[in-house]
Amino acid sequence: KAGVTQTPRYLIKTRGQQVTLSCSPISGHRSVSWYQQTPGQGLQFLFEYFSETQRNKGNFPGRFSGRQFSNSRSEMNVSTLELGDSALYLCASSYGQTTDTQYFGPGTRLTVL
Amino acid sequence: AQSVSQHNHHVILSEAASLELGCNYSYGGTVNLFWYVQYPGQHLQLLLKYFSGDPLVKGIKGFEAEFIKSKFSFNLRKPSVQWSDTAEYFCALGAGAAGNKLTFGGGTRVLVKP
Repeated sequence: KAGVTQTPRYLIKTRGQQVTLSCSPISGHRSVSWYQQTPGQGLQFLFEYFSETQRNKGNFPGRFSGRQFSNSRSEMNVSTLELGDSALYLCASSYGQTTDTQYFGPGTRLTVL
Repeated sequence: AQSVSQHNHHVILSEAASLELGCNYSYGGTVNLFWYVQYPGQHLQLLLKYFSGDPLVKGIKGFEAEFIKSKFSFNLRKPSVQWSDTAEYFCALGAGAAGNKLTFGGGTRVLVKP
């Protein structure tokens, strides 16, 4: 099976812009989670979607949003970018509805100038 | 609220040395525990996981971990490391049945000298 794929792999934006990141889960997986990885804060949970519904949300401002489509693909959007949003954004997919093994994609490296 | 702490931020070892990375968690309910590894330039990969049953779990590449409920710990071990084990290791907690939200520890960077 193909792994989790994320596009684009690298992005450079300027403050105030918005960005959309995409994630395609492993075939058959219905849960998609997003994480932010930074040197200072480590890996932090953003949100999780299962069958197009957001099930969990981390402690991030409303500028961070996401959605999931009927084919389980997911997007996350960050509006009004700030310098502190520079990070590696990781997507993970899993099969089940309850806590399950998550498989991570390679991430999207976002740099905000 | 749940939390995970990893005691060592950096570990430097020589090849063939034994490795033990500490992980403690805070959560009052049923837990699922994971160790992930991130090799340089690669994405996070699952090393091993504990959901229930035998508290000593074996993973890939000769790694094992022991869940000690009374100590809220899930330490990772490998008897003899190789240069290729140079990576960052993350302990993670999945709590309860409320979906797939992982709480990660801060990570431990391991450098194995040849």
